Amino acid sequence: DAGVTQSPTHLIKTRGQQVTLRCSPKSGHDTVSWYQQALGQGPQFIFQYYEEEERQRGNFPDRFSGHQFPNYSSELNVNALLLGDSALYLCASSPSDRGSGGYTFGSGTRLTVV
Amino acid sequence: GQNIDQPTEMTATEGAIVQINCTYQTSGFNGLFWYQQHAGEAPTFLSYNVLDGLEEKGRFSSFLSRSKGYSYLLLKELQMKDSASYLCAGPLGAGNMLTFGGGTRLMVKP
Repeated sequence: DAGVTQSPTHLIKTRGQQVTLRCSPKSGHDTVSWYQQALGQGPQFIFQYYEEEERQRGNFPDRFSGHQFPNYSSELNVNALLLGDSALYLCASSPSDRGSGGYTFGSGTRLTVV
Repeated sequence: GQNIDQPTEMTATEGAIVQINCTYQTSGFNGLFWYQQHAGEAPTFLSYNVLDGLEEKGRFSSFLSRSKGYSYLLLKELQMKDSASYLCAGPLGAGNMLTFGGGTRLMVKP
């Protein structure tokens, strides 16, 4: 049973460009959350999608947007990239009937903005 | 706010016991999670405490005191493979958005 899969694994972009990251949730999970993790820091919550709607949002600017598809997969889009957007972007999926340990994280996409 | 604090780094010896503390402001969290993260890898679930007290799971145990805003992760019989970052996180809101601490980097030495 595949867990959470993210693509691409690594990405290099130039300042000002736009990027799209993709996530396929674990089988049976319908909720997808995105986190940004800077080097040496804990993950920071970006937003969560459930039933194709943004349900919760963290303290990130509107340059960060997302989408969830009917098959529960999700995309994270970042516009007008800044050097400070360089980070590991983690996707986590969970079932809507949450229980302890419901989150499963993907291995992340390492984004470098130059 | 929902600040979560944990030590930045800890060092321990193989075979020993180490306790990693986590303190947080007490409003809103639906319990507390602990995750392990090896360098370059995804965080993996270790424990979830929703009630006060100690929960033991093999070599790892986790404790929670909701009134004190305090948790710890106890690792026994340390192995070299336990060298990793340990993240505590509080779930918040209907969707259980996780607020993470900065992580504690544990180095296990022979």
